[in-house]
Amino acid sequence: SQQGEEDPQALSIQEGENATMNCSYKTSINNLQWYRQNSGRGLVHLILIRSNEREKHSGRLRVTLDTSKKSSSLLITASRAADTASYFCATDPNFGNEKLTFGTGTRLTIIP
Amino acid sequence: NAGVTQTPKFQVLKTGQSMTLQCAQDMNHNSMYWYRQDPGMGLRLIYYSASEGTTDKGEVPNGYNVSRLNKREFSLRLESAAPSQTSVYFCASSGGYYIHTDTQYFGPGTRLTVL
Repeated sequence: SQQGEEDPQALSIQEGENATMNCSYKTSINNLQWYRQNSGRGLVHLILIRSNEREKHSGRLRVTLDTSKKSSSLLITASRAADTASYFCATDPNFGNEKLTFGTGTRLTIIP
Repeated sequence: NAGVTQTPKFQVLKTGQSMTLQCAQDMNHNSMYWYRQDPGMGLRLIYYSASEGTTDKGEVPNGYNVSRLNKREFSLRLESAAPSQTSVYFCASSGGYYIHTDTQYFGPGTRLTVL
């Protein structure tokens, strides 16, 4: 079963613009992670935000977490062609011995 | 430092054939995972191994078996392949014992087609 759902499913923007994608989840979590997948490749970890954090930055990435709304957003500023990829959120439910659960992803295309 | 490696990269099987997907990591990680990725479904966990000598079922284990051969290697076996197993298979690893929510490091994937 999918815990995280990304929105939108696909996004196309001009190079240099900012890209925002969202993740909603169903149960309370310990942390939430974002991963990037370039076409035909494995996933690469981008950033992890814990449930007691509201915002985190890494380079051009900004992640926010709203546990009351069970949602997170990933902002990529000043987008580049190399940012073209699929982006997945992964949640860690905080009950039992649950595992990371990945969403279905947002396909981001940067138009040069 | 190769990270997580997978073999083969591509494979075509006929229904009923068997095969083993190989995965190895050189990061001294304790936990390893097998996922499958299908269009519109995201990644689904097939099996995982929290430490050498242990394996557990994930979300979609039916039709698969695994072996944690040693700390480095974790293989996935399809005993009798079915068209529904056509997918891209990813192996991943993470550092902690039973800490499945650590950052995971992924291999490049194996694209499997079952005819």
